Amino acid sequence: AQRVTQPEKLLSVFKGAPVELKCNYSYSGSPELFWYVQYSRQRLQLLLRHISRESIKGFTADLNKGETSFHLKKPFAQEEDSAMYYCALSEGPSGGSYIPTFGRGTSLIVHP
Amino acid sequence: EAQVTQNPRYLITVTGKKLTVTCSQNMNHEYMSWYRQDPGLGLRQIYYSMNVEVTDKGDVPEGYKVSRKEKRNFPLILESPSPNQTSLYFCASSPGTEVGNTIYFGEGSWLTVV
Repeated sequence: AQRVTQPEKLLSVFKGAPVELKCNYSYSGSPELFWYVQYSRQRLQLLLRHISRESIKGFTADLNKGETSFHLKKPFAQEEDSAMYYCALSEGPSGGSYIPTFGRGTSLIVHP
Repeated sequence: EAQVTQNPRYLITVTGKKLTVTCSQNMNHEYMSWYRQDPGLGLRQIYYSMNVEVTDKGDVPEGYKVSRKEKRNFPLILESPSPNQTSLYFCASSPGTEVGNTIYFGEGSWLTVV
C-alpha cells in the first residue's frame, strides 16, 4: 500500500527565509508525486508534479528515491505563499491505480 | 471553462435531516471522488468512482452514500447527518485514464450539523 507522510502540521517562517516542506512516501514501485496548494480555504490546485521538473512560483521539488522523499523548497518565502500544502502520490506505470493518496498537509505561514 | 461545481457551498442542518451535496464536472472525467477536510487531519477520502455505476469506499465512508448514474455527476448523500460530519467537503475529478493525472477540485462545501 502506498502512504504519504508530511511530518510537519505547521511551518512558520519570515519573509525572505528559505522554506522546505517535507514529504516522505512509502511505495515499492515507481511513484508519481505531486504538490497541491490550497490558499485561504479555496479549492486545492496543483502546484507542481515531479515528472514535469518545473518550477512554479519559485517552488521546486526533487524526487529522491533513495530517501523516498519529495520535499518542496523555495529559497525566499513570500507572504503570498502562506497556504496549506498537500503532497500526493499516484502509482507509476508499474502500478495500475491512478487513485492518489494525499498526505495530511502542512500549513505554511510566512510572516512579514 | 473546465470546472468542478459543488452545491451548496454553505449549509447548516440539523441532526438526522437527510441532505445531498451535488457535484458536477464538465470535463468528461471518468474518475470522481469526495474528500472531507478537518483541522489536523488533512484531506481524507470518503468515496470515489472510477466510472459510471462504479463506486468504492475511501478511508472514511461511514455515514455517507454516493451514486454515479451519469458521468458528470457524483452526489454525496448524508442519510442521517450527525455533528461529527461537520466539515469542509471537496469533490474532485480526474481523467483517470492514465496514471498521474491531475486532480481537479471543487470549491468546497462547508457543512455544519447541529
